[in-house]
Amino acid sequence: SQTIHQWPATLVQPVGSPLSLECTVEGTSNPNLYWYRQAAGRGLQLLFYSVGIGQISSEVPQNLSASRPQDRQFILSSKKLLLSDSGFYLCAWSLAGDNYEQYFGPGTRLTVT
Amino acid sequence: AQTVTQSQPEMSVQEAETVTLSCTYDTSENNYYLFWYKQPPSRQMILVIRQEAYKQQNATENRFSVNFQKAAKSFSLKISDSQLGDTAMYFCAFMKRGAQKLVFGQGTRLTINP
Repeated sequence: SQTIHQWPATLVQPVGSPLSLECTVEGTSNPNLYWYRQAAGRGLQLLFYSVGIGQISSEVPQNLSASRPQDRQFILSSKKLLLSDSGFYLCAWSLAGDNYEQYFGPGTRLTVT
Repeated sequence: AQTVTQSQPEMSVQEAETVTLSCTYDTSENNYYLFWYKQPPSRQMILVIRQEAYKQQNATENRFSVNFQKAAKSFSLKISDSQLGDTAMYFCAFMKRGAQKLVFGQGTRLTINP
């Protein structure tokens, strides 16, 4: 069966510091991968998605970036965090092709101070 | 652009009762998918049920069922015989066929009381 991991689970970072959140998927090959952000009390907003190694699509222009160095690894980064980057970050995966069910990881709670 | 609206910010029912959560959406697309996700206090999003727009039959998963009204652009979730473990935020989501983006509503906080 497939599993998705995210780390760290929680993170407190000062404004202006860099960020790296990691997501890995096990039990499947060539998945579609996604990064979402959930602000407090709100729904999820898609930030980035990837349909293959090195292929990144951005949905929301901001100071965040994403990379996919390996087939089942997805990284969310920032060079300098802003206060507005605080939130709950969720990674998700889906099978490639015509299957639209997305399965989410446990999430990372980021607080920028 | 597609939008998803959940008009009930909070709901509360007694255990074993049936509850219906509302969702409406706006789209000009004809081929799409609709989903309900559950987010318990652990905050992990869990897929509850999915509906393909081309299917007239409403999807059902055990105690969870939907009422999909395509013309009205309505997609409600019914939870029968509610259990304490159903306490969670519930999100309605839309995805255009062929796209990657899930568009979420703002969520409904459901509390099941003993």
